[in-house]
Amino acid sequence: QVQLQESGPGLVRPSQTLSLTCTVFGGSISSDYHFWTWIRQPAGKGLEWIGRMYTSGSTNYSPSLKSRVTISADTSKNQFSLNLNSVTAADTAVYYCARGGDFAEGYRIDHWGQGTLVTVSS
Amino acid sequence: QSALTQPASVSGSPGQSITISCTGTSSDVGGYNYVSWYQQHPGKAPKLMIYEVTNRPSGVSDRFSASKSGDTASLTISGLQTEDEADYYCSSYTRGGTIVFGSGTKVIVL
Repeated sequence: QVQLQESGPGLVRPSQTLSLTCTVFGGSISSDYHFWTWIRQPAGKGLEWIGRMYTSGSTNYSPSLKSRVTISADTSKNQFSLNLNSVTAADTAVYYCARGGDFAEGYRIDHWGQGTLVTVSS
Repeated sequence: QSALTQPASVSGSPGQSITISCTGTSSDVGGYNYVSWYQQHPGKAPKLMIYEVTNRPSGVSDRFSASKSGDTASLTISGLQTEDEADYYCSSYTRGGTIVFGSGTKVIVL
């Protein structure tokens, strides 16, 4: 059973870069048909898809965040990461890493991390 | 891309059926059969309930069913139970190759 675990600072200063890592257990991030995905949820609000990275290294990002986001992977550690720069208070949210499928799996997101709260504040 | 439109809340009594709508455009819901539904209990990660419009993952109760017509997808919960009280989100693949979520619906079991 695939499990994902987010890690990283819980507090980030405004204008700095938010950096989170997701470690994948029970499966390889090099496996075919899967996207490695970041999603966030501000307190009391809905889910927002941030972006994803495919096995090949190709990426897709939300148009609203594209200019500030980078998703990358370290296959030797079976981890993938999120960098979001120039953060403001509006970036305060619970951040989830997740495994998504490609067209062969209906683009479903079937495994989620538990989420990690990141607060942007001085 | 704008969030897909869902009603803020839907309520029903135990045993009843309720339906949650999810409205998008021809660039997302209407253009692809890649609509998923997720259930989220407070403080928990979302759980996949439906994928590819109508398919249930293994382990999901058959009380959950879904469909799509044009730009609107729907999730129906039959035989409503107290444990079904949660937030529900739809999502869709988009023409831009991204994923967009719905605004979310709170299901209240009266």
